[in-house]
Amino acid sequence: IQLTQSPSSLSASVGDRVTITCRASQGISSYLAWYQQKPGKAPKLLIYAASTLQSGVPSRFSGSGSGTDFTLTISSLQPEDFATYYCQQLNSYPLTFGQGTKLEIK
Amino acid sequence: EVQLVESGGGLVKPGGSLRLSCAASGFTFSSYSMNWVRQAPGKGLEWVSSISSSSSYIYYADSVKGRFTISRDNAKNSLYLQMNSLRAEDTAVYYCARPDTAGVRTLNFDYWGQGTLVTVSS
Repeated sequence: IQLTQSPSSLSASVGDRVTITCRASQGISSYLAWYQQKPGKAPKLLIYAASTLQSGVPSRFSGSGSGTDFTLTISSLQPEDFATYYCQQLNSYPLTFGQGTKLEIK
Repeated sequence: EVQLVESGGGLVKPGGSLRLSCAASGFTFSSYSMNWVRQAPGKGLEWVSSISSSSSYIYYADSVKGRFTISRDNAKNSLYLQMNSLRAEDTAVYYCARPDTAGVRTLNFDYWGQGTLVTVSS
């Protein structure tokens, strides 16, 4: 199952609302997770089961979707949110990640 | 506190072998499925392999099937990745990762190690 994220990169300002899209090549129900990764660090789980916010993750992050189309939304960007974001499907093996979306400061 | 610590990375020639280890602590290792994920320099994340809690179910990415072997020793709280016939394209940071719950189905990769760098070069 291929996952295609869009956009691949994005410039935004602190306080902006940002949406990243992940499209699966076939239906994956709600078995989708979102991760944030900063340079030199391991990824951090943000959302799983498409819309469940992982404990400790700020509520400005939200996820939605099912089937083939999913979105990650950051309601009001904070300085610490500038990073690369990945979606991952866990519906079936082989597991796959999207190619990543790099969120940069405008 | 959950801790995952990878080791065993290094420089190896094409065609060579390497064995990675992931030492787990702070949880009941034998209850959780475990995973390996890699990231080539400057590239995205790539899932490599998964193993169920009792080693009954094992999965591999097509890119490593037949060359890599995942295993675990629940008595030693350790996960392994035996990598044979290494290629330049296997150069990456290798992470071990654990889901947040010990369910039958993996819903996420919540805990990650710090990663170990494998460089395949002559």
